[in-house]
Amino acid sequence: EAGVTQFPSHSVIEKGQTVTLRCDPISGHDNLYWYRRVMGKEIKFLLHFVKESKQDESGMPNNRFLAERTGGTYSTLKVQPAELEDSGVYFCASSLSGFGPREQYFGPGTRLTVT
Amino acid sequence: DAKTTQPNSMESNEEEPVHLPCNHSTISGTDYIHWYRQLPSQGPEYVIHGLTSNVNNRMASLAIAEDRKSSTLILHRATLRDAAVYYCILRPYSGGGADGLTFGKGTHLIIQP
Repeated sequence: EAGVTQFPSHSVIEKGQTVTLRCDPISGHDNLYWYRRVMGKEIKFLLHFVKESKQDESGMPNNRFLAERTGGTYSTLKVQPAELEDSGVYFCASSLSGFGPREQYFGPGTRLTVT
Repeated sequence: DAKTTQPNSMESNEEEPVHLPCNHSTISGTDYIHWYRQLPSQGPEYVIHGLTSNVNNRMASLAIAEDRKSSTLILHRATLRDAAVYYCILRPYSGGGADGLTFGKGTHLIIQP
């Protein structure tokens, strides 16, 4: 079974440009999460989708970040316009539905560098 | 989410057991104790979780104190591949609400050959 995949693995863009990160969750996982680790900081939760709906977006830093999950399958995270402080590693995770604490499966991450 | 406290780093020898402690003195009655780890250049990986009783799986064991204010992740026979940052995370029992993980600094486990 394929795990969570993320694309690209690495992106280098200039300040002010737009970047779109993609995440493909494990097939059948209704829950999809985005996290990020910026330089020197801890991994931080950004948002949580249940199917195509945003369940919790309390961790989104500002309105330059837009996450979508079309049809409840893959998800994209767009940063527009990118700022220097957006540099870091963006992780996606997915999990099955159901009550109780569900194990989250993480992708390898996308390393974003804003110059 | 309730906070956890872990040592910044620990060192162990290959093929020896490793005990990674975690303090969570403000844990609530419905918080599960989860452990994840992050190997170099990879995303975090689930290790184990428990509520009150000790738990075992193929990767590790989790020993939970009777008062639940602390727990210990046990790697029975560490290998070089176990070198990673280990995170102890409290998660409330969730019926579909906020479900994001709260990562702390974790414990950087170093394994010596």
